[in-house]
Amino acid sequence: DGGITQSPKYLFRKEGQNVTLSCEQNLNHDAMYWYRQDPGQGLRLIYYSQIVNDFQKGDIAEGYSVSREKKESFPLTVTSAQKNPTAFYLCASSIDLGSPYEQYFGPGTRLTVT
Amino acid sequence: GNSVTQMEGPVTLSEEAFLTINCTYTATGYPSLFWYVQYPGEGLQLLLKATKADDKGSNKGFEATYRKETTSFHLEKGSVQVSDSAVYFCALIPRGSNYKLTFGKGTLLTVNP
Repeated sequence: DGGITQSPKYLFRKEGQNVTLSCEQNLNHDAMYWYRQDPGQGLRLIYYSQIVNDFQKGDIAEGYSVSREKKESFPLTVTSAQKNPTAFYLCASSIDLGSPYEQYFGPGTRLTVT
Repeated sequence: GNSVTQMEGPVTLSEEAFLTINCTYTATGYPSLFWYVQYPGEGLQLLLKATKADDKGSNKGFEATYRKETTSFHLEKGSVQVSDSAVYFCALIPRGSNYKLTFGKGTLLTVNP
């Protein structure tokens, strides 16, 4: 079955530590995305990538970094510079950027930083 | 800019009731429109989509029609089930070079037996 996997489902870290969230897709999609979801809010875009070795900042990129060394993989690092890192993080992919290509989402990683 | 406005929840219904969740949008040109559903503790699943005016998206008994004249994409279901309890997000992607999927804030639906 094709899909998007994110691991782990729950992640706990101490303040001041960097942490990397995994995202893998076997849908052969070119575009991949990272979103952040906070309680009672919609999703906000952190980073996106259209092709391998290329990625762009979204609306809330500060304190985050990404890499895209393989088509299937788009890991997100939450750095110690991110002021409020506790959130639900969702990875998504689509055939290409923009309309009309729908985005498919992974199951998410809930990060708690104390 | 582009934006999506959904009716605020929470919405609480009894099983077999009729559901409507309103969604209106603002966008340049004619965007593609989507409804996503999020079950507790899970990621988002695409529920249905419409890519041009007057298109009707449908899936699992849910329907939504792309209304250009009223810039709306209201979600409807004739008879809800307890298993439909979830958060529903309306979203759009504009045409052209703007790639961004813009979401509404979500509407929590609870269906009681």
